Amino acid sequence: AQSVAQPEDQVNVAEGNPLTVKCTYSVSGNPYLFWYVQYPNRGLQFLLKYITGDNLVKGSYGFEAEFNKSQTSFHLKKPSALVSDSALYFCAVTYLGNTDKLIFGTGTRLQVFP
Amino acid sequence: EAGVVQSPRYKIIEKKQPVAFWCNPISGHNTLYWYLQNLGQGPELLIRYENEEAVDDSQLPKDRFSAERLKGVDSTLKIQPAELGDSAVYLCASSRGTSGDQLDTQYFGPGTRLTVL
Repeated sequence: AQSVAQPEDQVNVAEGNPLTVKCTYSVSGNPYLFWYVQYPNRGLQFLLKYITGDNLVKGSYGFEAEFNKSQTSFHLKKPSALVSDSALYFCAVTYLGNTDKLIFGTGTRLQVFP
Repeated sequence: EAGVVQSPRYKIIEKKQPVAFWCNPISGHNTLYWYLQNLGQGPELLIRYENEEAVDDSQLPKDRFSAERLKGVDSTLKIQPAELGDSAVYLCASSRGTSGDQLDTQYFGPGTRLTVL
């Protein structure tokens, strides 16, 4: 079955430190991977996506993610965290032949402390 | 460019009552999605429209849920009658659409938070 796993319910990091939010996936065929962020009482905002090409994808607000096919991972990273980055982050995957149906992970809450 | 618009933002009803949610997608977006997001979970697709045609409604509980997208623009999602377990956030998203292998990003509205008492 196609699935996405976000193994950490919450990630805590000090402001100014690098952050990583983990995501692993399981799909048949080539994956298409997304990261979204959700602030309280707001919808999901698109951050970045991997379709093909360079494994390192750069997105909004200084975030980037690295596609690792051998480890079936797509971890979200940022070199220097801001308090305003505190939010709920969702990884999602789809695949060739099913490109309209996003499968979301359960989300990871990022808390950045001043 | 305006984003996806949803209304109402919040709705509180008693069980067995009907409820309806409205969505206006981004202009020019042919594909519209309704998602259900339970507390502590990621969104799950309920139904997808390509223009006015529902092309994937396999996850829509058809005994009580219905949706329409007349004229291929705005869409309405209805629940009748509502049950306690329907309390959740209902998200609408839109995209320009897909053609073959092409993949387009889905953009989400702010959602409607439904509470069924």
